[in-house]
Amino acid sequence: DTAVSQTPKYLVTQMGNDKSIKCEQNLGHDTMYWYKQDSKKFLKIMFSYNNKELIINETVPNRFSPKSPDKAHLNLHINSLELGDSAVYFCASSPPTLSATDTQYFGPGTRLTVL
Amino acid sequence: ELKVEQNPLFLSMQEGKNYTIYCNYSTTSDRLYWYRQDPGKSLESLFVLLSNGAVKQEGRLMASLDTKARLSTLHITAAVHDLSATYFCAVDIATGNDMRFGAGTRLTVKP
Repeated sequence: DTAVSQTPKYLVTQMGNDKSIKCEQNLGHDTMYWYKQDSKKFLKIMFSYNNKELIINETVPNRFSPKSPDKAHLNLHINSLELGDSAVYFCASSPPTLSATDTQYFGPGTRLTVL
Repeated sequence: ELKVEQNPLFLSMQEGKNYTIYCNYSTTSDRLYWYRQDPGKSLESLFVLLSNGAVKQEGRLMASLDTKARLSTLHITAAVHDLSATYFCAVDIATGNDMRFGAGTRLTVKP
């Protein structure tokens, strides 16, 4: 009963290809996120979706596009992959109104390698 | 621009010793989080700190928050090898919808 799941876990592809990473959460949360963790372990928020509406769009290239078919899913599509896109991508989710103990819950990550 | 600065970035300590990791941030925030990440793994929530003076403890880890100084600390007491991991602080600047992370502190506890 994984709370936040991502597929695939590993993704190796050639430059210029288009790929997608899927994320699903079974926590009933309204808000989902995508983060990028680079080789130096630095974590940067990419997108945030609340009730299927984009509410944060950091300065990421428009080759990256989040797609949310329903509030339990937030997929990440990447077009024309570049070497610099190689990283670990984490999906996360959180409830809309945070209680005293609420936080973001992270998926296991997808390690993307662009050759 | 919001800055979240952790120090040290690398920490090697002996088992049984105490040490503190610091997290400074540059804007007002309602919440501060501490996460742990093991190599090749996801992020695990450790603490959520909500108010000035908040202190939370779990095992050998204790986190505190001083919102006036915009400073949080993660104190490690009598370190054990199992605590070896990367520890991140994160500042929430939009009530849960925009969380910014520090660079992480890579902790190695040696026997």
